Amino acid sequence: DVKVTQSSRYLVKRTGEKVFLECVQDMDHENMFWYRQDPGLGLRLIYFSYDVKMKEKGDIPEGYSVSREKKERFSLILESASTNQTSMYLCASSPGGGRLGEQYFGPGTRLTVT
Amino acid sequence: GEDVEQSLFLSVREGDSSVINCTYTDSSSTYLYWYKQEPGAGLQLLTYIFSNMDMKQDQRLTVLLNKKDKHLSLRIADTQTGDSAIYFCAESILRGNKLVFGAGTILRVKS
Repeated sequence: DVKVTQSSRYLVKRTGEKVFLECVQDMDHENMFWYRQDPGLGLRLIYFSYDVKMKEKGDIPEGYSVSREKKERFSLILESASTNQTSMYLCASSPGGGRLGEQYFGPGTRLTVT
Repeated sequence: GEDVEQSLFLSVREGDSSVINCTYTDSSSTYLYWYKQEPGAGLQLLTYIFSNMDMKQDQRLTVLLNKKDKHLSLRIADTQTGDSAIYFCAESILRGNKLVFGAGTILRVKS
């Protein structure tokens, strides 16, 4: 069974802290994505990666960075957390070969920045 | 620009049909998708339709695509309480190689 796991379901951090969110997929997928989900706004793409060590900015990359050192792992980094980064963060992966939209999602990490 | 719009809320009785509507703006979209999100979970791909198709049926789900009007709908026949969830419409954007999601429609099924 396909699986995307995220390191934490709930996280509480203080303003200014560095925050790491980890995502691991076991499907050997080329593409990996980080979204944030806010009520009334749907999902917004932060960053995505289509290969190891490759990354592309999404629609809202400001305040975030990513790392993909291994194919199965995609990390989202908040360099200095701020209260407006309080949100649900969803990781997803998808196969290559034109199947970008067939995304498998993790359960999400609800991050609260105080 | 890229935009996907959905109504925010739909309430139906158990056993009735549900129709969730979506409009999109990018005429170059190749595929359009429907995802379901149950409480406390990530999104799950329900179905998708290629842009040169008008209709796709998969058990209780029927997807209709009107490419001229850029309108997509998801019909759920014989809606059950387990169908209560948020449903997201998404279009694939060739430029930028990404999906654009709508805000989601909350479906509430009353027994």
